[in-house]
Amino acid sequence: DTAVSQTPKYLVTQMGNDKSIKCEQNLGHDTMYWYKQDSKKFLKIMFSYNNKELIINETVPNRFSPKSPDKAHLNLHINSLELGDSAVYFCASSPQFPEAGALSDTQYFGPGTRLTVL
Amino acid sequence: AQKITQTQPGMFVQEKEAVTLDCTYDTSDQSYGLFWYKQPSSGEMIFLIYQGSYDEQNATEGRYSLNFQKARKSANLVISASQLGDSAMYFCAMRENFSGGYNKLIFGAGTRLAVHP
Repeated sequence: DTAVSQTPKYLVTQMGNDKSIKCEQNLGHDTMYWYKQDSKKFLKIMFSYNNKELIINETVPNRFSPKSPDKAHLNLHINSLELGDSAVYFCASSPQFPEAGALSDTQYFGPGTRLTVL
Repeated sequence: AQKITQTQPGMFVQEKEAVTLDCTYDTSDQSYGLFWYKQPSSGEMIFLIYQGSYDEQNATEGRYSLNFQKARKSANLVISASQLGDSAMYFCAMRENFSGGYNKLIFGAGTRLAVHP
């Protein structure tokens, strides 16, 4: 069973285009995240949503717009793509309030989407 | 601001030996969590182990253990009996808490581990 899934896995596009990445989790978690991993492998949070509500927006350009139609889905839409947007984008999810005995509010990651802007 | 430091960009170990990957952190919070993730060459992020700041025992998960030294603000990952499949990037991360029970992860720069036969 796939816990956190992302589509597509690879995305190659031209500068200036608009593209979307989809994320779905079947873990019943309340909170979902988008992280960006740059070419040096550095990971940084972009957004966090809790029950469809934006919680964290880490000074990401407004060309990036997350959308959460329900708490199991968090999509990322990127307008006017630039060369510097090339990266791997990871979706993750976690429970807001872990159940007693659970392994904290561990974030589980999707497989990543490698975006290449030409 | 919270910060995670991994000072070893690369490490290598012989198969079947143990290896320690270093992680130090900086926070003014009393309650925090520390995580280790593995990223193999295939690219996915795999959760390995968690240590809570109030946990008195070091966390263990199979061949992984976390050497938690709170006073020194270190949370080193120990991999025992290394296997070829352990070759990967390893990231240390800390949970930064917000009001309402929300949080985000702050990641270190990662350590690339190579296991040699």
